[in-house]
Amino acid sequence: DTGVSQDPRHKITKRGQNVTFRCDPISEHNRLYWYRQTLGQGPEFLTYFQNEAQLEKSRLLSDRFSAERPKGSFSTLEIQRTEQGDSAMYLCAGTYSGGNTGELFFGEGSRLTVL
Amino acid sequence: QKEVEQDPGPLSVPEGAIVSLNCTYSNSAFQYFMWYRQYSRKGPELLMYTYSSGNKEDGRFTAQVDKSSKYISLFIRDSQPSDSATYLCAMKGDSSYKLIFGSGTRLLVRP
Repeated sequence: DTGVSQDPRHKITKRGQNVTFRCDPISEHNRLYWYRQTLGQGPEFLTYFQNEAQLEKSRLLSDRFSAERPKGSFSTLEIQRTEQGDSAMYLCAGTYSGGNTGELFFGEGSRLTVL
Repeated sequence: QKEVEQDPGPLSVPEGAIVSLNCTYSNSAFQYFMWYRQYSRKGPELLMYTYSSGNKEDGRFTAQVDKSSKYISLFIRDSQPSDSATYLCAMKGDSSYKLIFGSGTRLLVRP
C-alpha cells in the first residue's frame, strides 16, 4: 500500500459530460503527479505539483483539462466536455522532494470510460 | 519517434527461466533510470533505480544501464509465476521532475 488513494476507481460517463477525479497522497508527499495510461501503453505525464504550485503541464493537457492542489494536500483533475479519446486510466503519484527522485508512489488509478 | 522504446511483448517463459527486458532511449540528458512493475488493474510500483551507467543488483533482479548505447536492461533470475506483470522502464534527466515511461513489456511466467 503506497498510501495514495484515488477516487472514484471507475467512472463511466457520456460524451460531453464533465468528470472530476480526486487524489489523496500521504501528508509527506510534497510532490504530486498526474499521469494518463491507455491500454498497452506506459503512463504519459500530464502535470506536476510542488506543494500547491503547478510547475509543469504537458501539451497533452488541453484546455478541457484542469488540475488543482489547494493547500498542497489532495489534488483534483477535472475533464470538461469529455470525448471518447479521454477514455484511459488516470494515475496519481506522490513523492518526497528529498527522496529518491525516481520513486513515485502511485495510487491504483481512476479508470474513465467515455461512451 | 518516442523518447523511450520498449518491446510490448508478451514475453512467455517457463518458471525458473532468466528473463531479459530492455529499453532504448534517445535523450542523452537522461540520468536516472528506473524499472517499475505493474500488475493488472494496479498502479506501477518501483522495482529498481539506477543513477547514470552501471549495474545494480537486488535479490533476483539486476538492472544495467549502458549510456553509450542508450540501452537499459532488467534481468530476472529464477523467474516465478508471481513475476507475471507488465514491466515499465522509466527515466528522467537531472533538471526535470517528470518521468518518461516506456510502453511496458508484458511478462508471463508459466508454472
